[in-house]
Amino acid sequence: GIQVEQSPPDLILQEGANSTLRCNFSDSVNNLQWFHQNPWGQLINLFYIPSGTKQNGRLSATTVATERYSLLYISSSQTTDSGVYFCAVGTNAGKSTFGDGTTLTVKP
Amino acid sequence: AAGVIQSPRHLIKEKRETATLKCYPIPRHDTVYWYQQGPGQDPQFLISFYEKMQSDKGSIPDRFSAQQFSDYHSELNMSSLELGDSALYFCATGGRITDTQYFGPGTRLTVL
Repeated sequence: GIQVEQSPPDLILQEGANSTLRCNFSDSVNNLQWFHQNPWGQLINLFYIPSGTKQNGRLSATTVATERYSLLYISSSQTTDSGVYFCAVGTNAGKSTFGDGTTLTVKP
Repeated sequence: AAGVIQSPRHLIKEKRETATLKCYPIPRHDTVYWYQQGPGQDPQFLISFYEKMQSDKGSIPDRFSAQQFSDYHSELNMSSLELGDSALYFCATGGRITDTQYFGPGTRLTVL
């Protein structure tokens, strides 16, 4: 099956800093999503981005499908950005395979 | 907009008991996926249904079964519960009208 690797596994930032999270995947996909899991366990969908670039406020994402990676950018980080960020990929409207996640801690 | 509904949100059971988790998809979504997320782990795919038929199967224990009903809601039945079954169980829905999977809020199952 598809392998999904996220880096870094852990990231500690000072409030206001910028960060880049990376997701590498081992095969062609037609579904790639970035999620933020909040402290209550809810998976908040950030982006559906199998290719191209999208922006939503302080967050943006880019997927280069031909090179099998995606990047999530967080600018001007806030303490509420803390949590685990997951990349999940899938093919042909099938199941999603998640990476191990990046645990982000933003300190005030 | 309507979202995926899961019930119950929290469930506490004893070992060897049974549990039933329910998932109500977004209207017009015909595909349901179930995922299990253990403590400190990423969500792992269990099973999926498309148009009421099982479409894919992952690492689902034989003690678990699931089905999708005519109204497209799905139920995950778990028997002979073990301590290791304690986890967050997510349902996600999607289908032909969208490639995006929409995740429900999850059911947190605790087995004592």
